Amino acid sequence: QVQLQQSGPGLVKPSQTLSLTCAISGDSISSNSAAWNWIRQSPSRGLEWLGRTYYRSKWYNDYAVSVKSRLTINPDTSKNQFTLQLNSVTPEDTAVYYCAGDNSGWSPLGWFDPWGQGTLVTVSS
Amino acid sequence: EFVLTQSPGTLSLSPGERATLSCRASQSVSSSYLAWYQQKPGQAPRLLIYGASRRATGFPDRFSGSGSGTHFTLTISRLEPEDFAVYYCQQYVSSPGFTFGPGTKVDLK
Repeated sequence: QVQLQQSGPGLVKPSQTLSLTCAISGDSISSNSAAWNWIRQSPSRGLEWLGRTYYRSKWYNDYAVSVKSRLTINPDTSKNQFTLQLNSVTPEDTAVYYCAGDNSGWSPLGWFDPWGQGTLVTVSS
Repeated sequence: EFVLTQSPGTLSLSPGERATLSCRASQSVSSSYLAWYQQKPGQAPRLLIYGASRRATGFPDRFSGSGSGTHFTLTISRLEPEDFAVYYCQQYVSSPGFTFGPGTKVDLK
């Protein structure tokens, strides 16, 4: 059974970088049938997919247009985890951030399961 | 701009009743990418339906998904107390990527 455990700070100052980690158990981050995603949820924006990383003979990353210029998702194969780094945050980035797996196969179809427990990140000085 | 619309926004029903939730896309989408999620307060969303009609592990057969093109439906045949939650549909188009609908809240009448 795949489980995801998130960690990271709950408070970030405006203009700084938001960093979160998602540790994977029960699967390999390098699996050829899985993709690893970050999703956030806020009252104003609802559920918003941010991006993903996955391995298919090489590493791929896809990012939502809304955050593409500010977002980096990196795999860490040595620790079987992946990270989110969102630069130049503003109060509009305040949200609950989730990591989520997608085991739908070679071409990931966005069937997000499982999800991490969520991290409320507040952007405030 | 690709938009997913869910209706109704809130569905007030009693246990034992049938719930029919609608998800409409602004352009035709592949059924393979259509998913539904259930979210309860304080919890992460949970995958309920994938590929438009395939039920995820752990959900009983009173949940069913259908549809194609621009209109998809989630049906709960007979509501149980644990089914009162918010339900989201989700789709994928190349731009902007994966998109969630605004959700339908199923609450107790």
